[in-house]
Amino acid sequence: NAGVMQNPRHLVRRRGQEARLRCSPMKGHSHVYWYRQLPEEGLKFMVYLQKENIIDESGMPKERFSAEFPKEGPSILRIQQVVRGDSAAYFCASSQVSGDYGYTFGSGTRLTVV
Amino acid sequence: GQQLNQSPQSMFIQEGEDVSMNCTSSSIFNTWLWYKQEPGEGPVLLIALYKAGELTSNGRLTAQFGITRKDSFLNISASIPSDVGIYFCAAVSSNTGKLIFGQGTTLQVKP
Repeated sequence: NAGVMQNPRHLVRRRGQEARLRCSPMKGHSHVYWYRQLPEEGLKFMVYLQKENIIDESGMPKERFSAEFPKEGPSILRIQQVVRGDSAAYFCASSQVSGDYGYTFGSGTRLTVV
Repeated sequence: GQQLNQSPQSMFIQEGEDVSMNCTSSSIFNTWLWYKQEPGEGPVLLIALYKAGELTSNGRLTAQFGITRKDSFLNISASIPSDVGIYFCAAVSSNTGKLIFGQGTTLQVKP
């Protein structure tokens, strides 16, 4: 039973390019959460999705960032026109039921914008 | 907004020593969690606390949910080199239902 799978593990983008981060939840999990971690800091909530629905996107920057969790396939966090300040580790977590806060995190995608 | 203040920021201890770290807030929470993160990996849940005053152990780890519901602590007894990592407290926001993280405590253990 594979855990939460994130890819790529490392992603380098030039300023202005698009970054696409993928997250496949654990088998049977239909709730996905994205968090961002800046160096030397804790994790900051970005968005909570269920299949085909965005439940809470209050932590998402208003521009350039979007997330989806389609009926088939992984959840995608998309950052358009990346800037240096977007450099961070992005973690995805999944849970089986809403409110199950001991959810499982993936290993993260480390985005570097050059 | 709601935030968690975690201390100490870092610890450098000798193998075999006990470790204590804590997390405080001005807000009340109904669930406290403790995670460990190793380099290049995501956080892994260590202990979950759901009731004020609850004391829960997981091997050499013991955590308590403060009676005021505004704090929690984590103790590690008889530390070993593999305890090295960053320990995060987290709590569920009663306003939003989201998981809020502390800033982390970096633990280094000298063999």
